[in-house]
Amino acid sequence: DADVTQTPRNRITKTGKRIMLECSQTKGHDRMYWYRQDPGLGLQLIYYSFDVKDINKGEISDGYSVSRQAQAKFSLSLESAIPNQTALYFCATSDPGQSNADTQYFGPGTRLTVL
Amino acid sequence: GNSVTQMEGPVTLSEEAFLTINCTYTATGYPSLFWYVQYPGEGLQLLLKATKADDKGSNKGFEATYRKETTSFHLEKGSVQVSDSAVYFCALSDQWPQKLVFGQGTRLTINP
Repeated sequence: DADVTQTPRNRITKTGKRIMLECSQTKGHDRMYWYRQDPGLGLQLIYYSFDVKDINKGEISDGYSVSRQAQAKFSLSLESAIPNQTALYFCATSDPGQSNADTQYFGPGTRLTVL
Repeated sequence: GNSVTQMEGPVTLSEEAFLTINCTYTATGYPSLFWYVQYPGEGLQLLLKATKADDKGSNKGFEATYRKETTSFHLEKGSVQVSDSAVYFCALSDQWPQKLVFGQGTRLTINP
């Protein structure tokens, strides 16, 4: 089984709808991240969480919110989706206690289309 | 702020050709440098990393050397295979809070 899973893998929704993307990990890592990937722009950080009580905004947090329900779960919500939020979304984890604390491990991604 | 600039793509090569994908960075302090690879339909996987100047990261025949004087971390492979076709991302991580900053990615296609 994959260490970092994302659900759903694909989602089509309409403008104005609320949508939640979920991320779960079995790696036991404290840190979790949400990124957005747009063609030609690489990945941009939306939010990150260093533990259940520590959540921080990334570069492009406007229009998004997150919830860290447990060490293993980190959800991303779009309260009112708009077409320019159409993108590929990735969750990632890292472990600050390891010598490779700066290495992140990625899920398979969720492709979101907002019509 | 920190930033990463990668060679524009896409790049198309024949099997067994030599590969270079250029990456330069701007950062304060002493970042760690990474190459991640994204195969079709998958998430990103760490390919290699280097944590200090003159370190060489290597994996699966790929290499990159952390050059502080030229602020570069170019990816090289001596003989590419069709299975190397993917999108390659250069990235850096500052020392705190260890957030990754990515380049725009370079799509590599290897023809048999």
